[in-house]
Amino acid sequence: AQSVTQLGSHVSVSEGALVLLRCNYSSSVPPYLFWYVQYPNQGLQLLLKYTTGATLVKGINGFEAEFKKSETSFHLTKPSAHMSDAAEYFCAVSGGQAGTALIFGKGTTLSVSS
Amino acid sequence: EAGVAQSPRYKIIEKRQSVAFWCNPISGHATLYWYQQILGQGPKLLIQFQNNGVVDDSQLPKDRFSAERLKGVDSTLKIQPAKLEDSAVYLCASSLGNRVSTDTQYFGPGTRLTVL
Repeated sequence: AQSVTQLGSHVSVSEGALVLLRCNYSSSVPPYLFWYVQYPNQGLQLLLKYTTGATLVKGINGFEAEFKKSETSFHLTKPSAHMSDAAEYFCAVSGGQAGTALIFGKGTTLSVSS
Repeated sequence: EAGVAQSPRYKIIEKRQSVAFWCNPISGHATLYWYQQILGQGPKLLIQFQNNGVVDDSQLPKDRFSAERLKGVDSTLKIQPAKLEDSAVYLCASSLGNRVSTDTQYFGPGTRLTVL
């Protein structure tokens, strides 16, 4: 069975500070890993995904994540936070085949203060 | 390119009533998903369609929930009768379903259901 654990339900940073959102996964097969962002009253938008190949994945809006198999982690980072980054972020895993359903973590709410 | 459309956006009903949600996926997407997102939690899969066939409905409470995807395009999710614990956002997503690594799920805005 697959699962996702997001450490910290709420993260607060100052504008311009480093953003680090933590995600650990459990999977018995090589996973596909995803980060989605959800703004209030909107659906989920894909930030980035890891399938195979390069373990450092760059996404939209300056975010990136690194797949570390030995640590079963896929943490999301951004060097400099912007006010517009305030949202809820979800890490998800799928079974290693495209087109299979996603298993989501509980989400991390990112707050950005000026 | 038009995104995934869902309606209604909001619905308030009383327990034991019935309700239906509609989803129109991105044109050409073979795979359609319905997820339930309870407040404070991540989305959880209810049912997955490939064209008009069901791939996975293992987490669908079949005594009260039903879903169909006639003609392999849009889909309807129904709850009858609703319970208080069904209050959630119901998200529809679609993907090409061509089983390559670039396959991405695109989500609609969701329907927020409140059961009183």
